[in-house]
Amino acid sequence: DTAVSQTPKYLVTQMGNDKSIKCEQNLGHDTMYWYKQDSKKFLKIMFSYNNKELIINETVPNRFSPKSPDKAHLNLHINSLELGDSAVYFCASRAGTSGTDTQYFGPGTRLTVL
Amino acid sequence: EDKVVQSPLSLVVHEGDTVTLNCSYEVTNFRSLLWYKQEKKAPTFLFMLTSSGIEKKSGRLSSILDKKELFSILNITATQTGDSAVYLCAVDSWGKLQFGAGTQVVVTP
Repeated sequence: DTAVSQTPKYLVTQMGNDKSIKCEQNLGHDTMYWYKQDSKKFLKIMFSYNNKELIINETVPNRFSPKSPDKAHLNLHINSLELGDSAVYFCASRAGTSGTDTQYFGPGTRLTVL
Repeated sequence: EDKVVQSPLSLVVHEGDTVTLNCSYEVTNFRSLLWYKQEKKAPTFLFMLTSSGIEKKSGRLSSILDKKELFSILNITATQTGDSAVYLCAVDSWGKLQFGAGTQVVVTP
């Protein structure tokens, strides 16, 4: 069974479109994250939710809106896509927020904006 | 500003060699340091370190943390071609992971 899953794995779209990426974890974790990995492979946190509540919101354009319908799911909606949004987006989860729990990553969604 | 710096950025070794990867950090509210291995897809967890001087070991991989000097090392002994990957260091600060740029390791047969 996949612990952290994301859909879709690949997403190719035109500039200006709106798209969503979905993430689900079956680990029973309370905290979920979205990360962006750019072309230089640098992983940067975007958002974090704990029990459906937003707890971390880095400096991300407000075209990006996360939503957590329940603690097992964290979706990412992106409006008015731009070329610079092309990247791999990873979802991750961990048991709590203490900082001593391991984060587990999903397989990633490769977004290409044309 | 918080930072996590990994060195070297890349290296090429022959099978059987030993590799040492470095990670230094300056963060507020340090909680833990994690090492991940990333091949073509998602980072996979290797180690979490919270205490200084206690070596974590898994097969040919080992890691240690020095909280006084603010760095960690990851060692890989008797390298194999399957060890080729990007190795990421991340520090948990305020409940979020801050990643270094990674070290690309290429192991040649």
